[in-house]
Amino acid sequence: KAGVTQTPRYLIKTRGQQVTLSCSPISGHRSVSWYQQTPGQGLQFLFEYFSETQRNKGNFPGRFSGRQFSNSRSEMNVSTLELGDSALYLCASSLGRRDRGFRPLSGNTIYFGEGSWLTVV
Amino acid sequence: DAKTTQPTSMDCAEGRAANLPCNHSTISGNEYVYWYRQIHSQGPQYIIHGLKNNETNEMASLIITEDRKSSTLILPHATLRDTAVYYCIVRVLSGGSYIPTFGRGTSLIVHP
Repeated sequence: KAGVTQTPRYLIKTRGQQVTLSCSPISGHRSVSWYQQTPGQGLQFLFEYFSETQRNKGNFPGRFSGRQFSNSRSEMNVSTLELGDSALYLCASSLGRRDRGFRPLSGNTIYFGEGSWLTVV
Repeated sequence: DAKTTQPTSMDCAEGRAANLPCNHSTISGNEYVYWYRQIHSQGPQYIIHGLKNNETNEMASLIITEDRKSSTLILPHATLRDTAVYYCIVRVLSGGSYIPTFGRGTSLIVHP
């Protein structure tokens, strides 16, 4: 079956602009999470969505936002772009299963997409 | 911070087994060990994961020590296309979700 699909694959933006990235999860996966990867900071968690609700958020400024649609597809938006926002943005999906206590199952495997390369000039 | 420690780099001859070690001495009882690899400019690719028992799939084998404080990923017959950065991760429970924390990984170079 198809993997996690991200669009666009590459894009160049100017400082001050905003950008929207799209992610289609693996069919049947309800959890979508976003990450930023840079050479200096490595791979950092941005946020996670499940059933159209943000379930968790990393330590990023409010310029970074996201949403999830009823079909589990997700978008992330970065407003007022800065040069430091240049990075590989990765989307990952998983089943998002929880136990009866609504605790996340540590065995939920997450699968990453190929990423969107954003360059801010 | 990543909960795992891996060597920075390793190399392996094509056709030989590549054994990549990982230390995760603070792992707790219900946490899985996951392995991913990342080829330059691509997203991390899932390889394998395990809890207590050794695991094998079409890509690799995972050997976990009895005390679960370390593990080894084995690529039985490495090819040039296996050259990548390999990440061993134990996901951190934070804010109600298991968040993967990637360290620097092991850069594996497979040479002819």
